[in-house]
Amino acid sequence: DGGITQSPKYLFRKEGQNVTLSCEQNLNHDAMYWYRQDPGQGLRLIYYSQIVNDFQKGDIAEGYSVSREKKESFPLTVTSAQKNPTAFYLCASSIGHAGGRPPYEQYFGPGTRLTVT
Amino acid sequence: AQSVTQLGSHVSVSEGALVLLRCNYSSSVPPYLFWYVQYPNQGLQLLLKYTSAATLVKGINGFEAEFKKSETSFHLTKPSAHMSDAAEYFCAVSGIQGFQKLVFGTGTRLLVSP
Repeated sequence: DGGITQSPKYLFRKEGQNVTLSCEQNLNHDAMYWYRQDPGQGLRLIYYSQIVNDFQKGDIAEGYSVSREKKESFPLTVTSAQKNPTAFYLCASSIGHAGGRPPYEQYFGPGTRLTVT
Repeated sequence: AQSVTQLGSHVSVSEGALVLLRCNYSSSVPPYLFWYVQYPNQGLQLLLKYTSAATLVKGINGFEAEFKKSETSFHLTKPSAHMSDAAEYFCAVSGIQGFQKLVFGTGTRLLVSP
């Protein structure tokens, strides 16, 4: 079955440590996205990538980094510079501009809940 | 730039009652609109989308939404709520040309009581 996987489901880290969240998709989508979700704030876009080896900052990129070396993978690193890293992180993918015309509805993974103490 | 406003962070209904979740959009031209549902500790699932083909859009699980340009609204409805509908619902908007990201509302939590 096609879909998006995120691992692990729950992640615990000590303050000051970098941590990398995994996101893999087998939908053959060009575009991938990372969101942060906090209670009452909806989804906020961290980074997105329209194509391999290219990515753009979203609305809250400070303290995060990404890479897009393969079409299927878009890992997110939460660095020690992120002041409030505890949150629920969601990865999504969609067809991109090269794959067809909009709308580019997004398909989501199950999320990773990160707790930093 | 597009944006959406979801009125009401929480909506409570009784099982069997009408569900109405409100979404108003802001856009200089009619955009594409989406409704997603999120169950606790899970990702988002697409319920339905508006792409200008028809103003009344039917989705999964008995939900539907009507695009009203004059009211800049895209409210989500279901005639009869089930306990399993309890979840958080997000409205989202995107532009219609070129590569477009989705812009999400802040969500509405639907509570269903027996």
